[in-house]
Amino acid sequence: QVQLQESGPGLVKPSGTLSLTCAVSGDSISRTNWWSWIRQPPGKGLEWIGELYHNGQTYYNPSLKSRVTMSVDKSKNHFSLNLTSVSAADTAVYYCASQLQRPFDSFDIWGPGTLVTVSA
Amino acid sequence: SSELTQDPAVSVALGQTVRITCQGDSLRNYYTSWYQQKPGQAPILVNYYLDKRPSGIPDRISGSTSGNTASLTITGAQAEDEAAYYCSSRDSTGHHMVFGGGTKLTVL
Repeated sequence: QVQLQESGPGLVKPSGTLSLTCAVSGDSISRTNWWSWIRQPPGKGLEWIGELYHNGQTYYNPSLKSRVTMSVDKSKNHFSLNLTSVSAADTAVYYCASQLQRPFDSFDIWGPGTLVTVSA
Repeated sequence: SSELTQDPAVSVALGQTVRITCQGDSLRNYYTSWYQQKPGQAPILVNYYLDKRPSGIPDRISGSTSGNTASLTITGAQAEDEAAYYCSSRDSTGHHMVFGGGTKLTVL
């Protein structure tokens, strides 16, 4: 059974860079599915940030594309998120998730989430 | 703004049937997935593709789509079904995922 665990700083200063890692356990990150990041501001709904395939192919949310980079490290069996030029609007619980391939496109496994607060 | 529209809140009497809907043009071309989220917890997948349920999800939770509207139906709602429900699918370009705004289900 695949399990995911997010890790990274819980506090980031405005204009800084938010960096998170998602550790994949129970299977190889090279399995035939995509990997995604999703966030949820306090008291609000879910927002898809982007998806990543183990070969490095990525797709990003157009509203965040200029600030987002996702990457995979096969040797460590984890994938990462970098979000630059953060502001208070980026304060959220950040989830990593396993995403089934088309046509399903479902996020079938989620990490527990990690709260990132943007504040001076 | 989301390309998928959900009613913000719905209520149902204990044991009755409730339908939660999700509207969007992209649903004509892509499948819808549904997630249940309880306070303080990560979402869990409850229905996807052509009414498929992951292991452990009761068969009283079912999904369907007609035209641009996807529906999640809970037959015989239980207290443990009280949660927020989100739909997701591809956007109109097919390159990006989108979520609906979520529906808060209250079981009375």
